[in-house]
Amino acid sequence: DAKTTQPPSMDCAEGRAANLPCNHSTISGNEYVYWYRQIHSQGPQYIIHGLKNNETNEMASLIITEDRKSSTLILPHATLRDTAVYYCIVYSNSGYALNFGKGTSLLVTP
Amino acid sequence: DSGVTQTPKHLITATGQRVTLRCSPRSGDLSVYWYQQSLDQGLQFLIHYYNGEERAKGNILERFSAQQFPDLHSELNLSSLELGDSALYFCASSVGRDVPLHFGNGTRLTVT
Repeated sequence: DAKTTQPPSMDCAEGRAANLPCNHSTISGNEYVYWYRQIHSQGPQYIIHGLKNNETNEMASLIITEDRKSSTLILPHATLRDTAVYYCIVYSNSGYALNFGKGTSLLVTP
Repeated sequence: DSGVTQTPKHLITATGQRVTLRCSPRSGDLSVYWYQQSLDQGLQFLIHYYNGEERAKGNILERFSAQQFPDLHSELNLSSLELGDSALYFCASSVGRDVPLHFGNGTRLTVT
């Protein structure tokens, strides 16, 4: 299974864009990139996913590089409620997420 | 609200005991997954069931077992509990492969 690498922590000012990077250099051609976030100790929440193309929904945008070896989650206007741990996951060949790793702890400051 | 229900929310028990955690998936979801999250750790995959059948095992101890019932709810049984089993246990459900997982809010297990 492709593994991902994320910075352990990031800060972002409220109202600014938060850009969270993820490296997944061993990703296979049919593996999707998913992003989830976990606020405090709540259950993780799905944000967005993609295969090759960039994706956007009401929560965020996902930019995947052409070689698919890395991606960036963009929260266009971060709010204090976006403070959370963000997980970048590459789904296994079984079609679901295995271990989530430690993710990136994003702190949005006033 | 994800639609996934986990009970109980909190559980405190002693070493050597056995507990059962329960999960009700979202309506229509056939897959149930169990994850363990210890303090300051990521979520570790334990086991996956699809429509009553075990499909995959992760880092699940032999002291732990699970099953999915005909009504699709699932139970995770933890026995001979040790202090190190203290963790958040999450259940997630999905309709199938390569789709988002929907997580419950977890059961916090404390072993004293």
